[in-house]
Amino acid sequence: DAGITQSPRHKVTETGTPVTLRCHQTENHRYMYWYRQDPGHGLRLIHYSYGVKDTDKGEVSDGYSVSRSKTEDFLLTLESATSSQTSVYFCAISELAGRNEQFFGPGTRLTVL
Amino acid sequence: GQQLNQSPQSMFIQEGEDVSMNCTSSSIFNTWLWYKQEPGEGPVLLIALYKAGELTSNGRLTAQFGITRKDSFLNISASIPSDVGIYFCAGAIQGAQKLVFGQGTRLTINP
Repeated sequence: DAGITQSPRHKVTETGTPVTLRCHQTENHRYMYWYRQDPGHGLRLIHYSYGVKDTDKGEVSDGYSVSRSKTEDFLLTLESATSSQTSVYFCAISELAGRNEQFFGPGTRLTVL
Repeated sequence: GQQLNQSPQSMFIQEGEDVSMNCTSSSIFNTWLWYKQEPGEGPVLLIALYKAGELTSNGRLTAQFGITRKDSFLNISASIPSDVGIYFCAGAIQGAQKLVFGQGTRLTINP
């Protein structure tokens, strides 16, 4: 199994509060990704990183920001959580440019009340 | 944005039956991947395909990269109870380090 951990695994928060989710890898992979998974939508890319301090937006980036100050950590921040951001969030990692195999973490279930 | 159409959305089969599912796109992809997800866990990579026409097996699973580069197929032979889960296809275009995912096929097996 790829060495990927996500924390917290479960979180309940209230609308308007800031939330930060953490993805940690021990594989020293270059690429890291944040997805959200909702019923009927599969996995949708929020943001991704192609190196330390190098990030870019995915298809559903509004309301989210990311940071990557170290190779092993990729943080996803909801500046002011909304109920529409209730979802399961997955982190993924990938190593080889041109080889698109991504390996996923166990997920974080976030509920915004 | 790019979309993948995965079908069927769900399947209910008897143990021992073979399973077929597919994924189609309006765009040409140079990578097709198949994942399986079980409840409460992240998706797990099953098979990766990188060449049009490629046929790759992983145990009882066989996947094919369509000749048109716009589709891919996954077959599971002689299904067993542990095959239960949601299967996702994913594709990437040339030069992109991002994947587009299908909506998933939920497989249920009656023993």
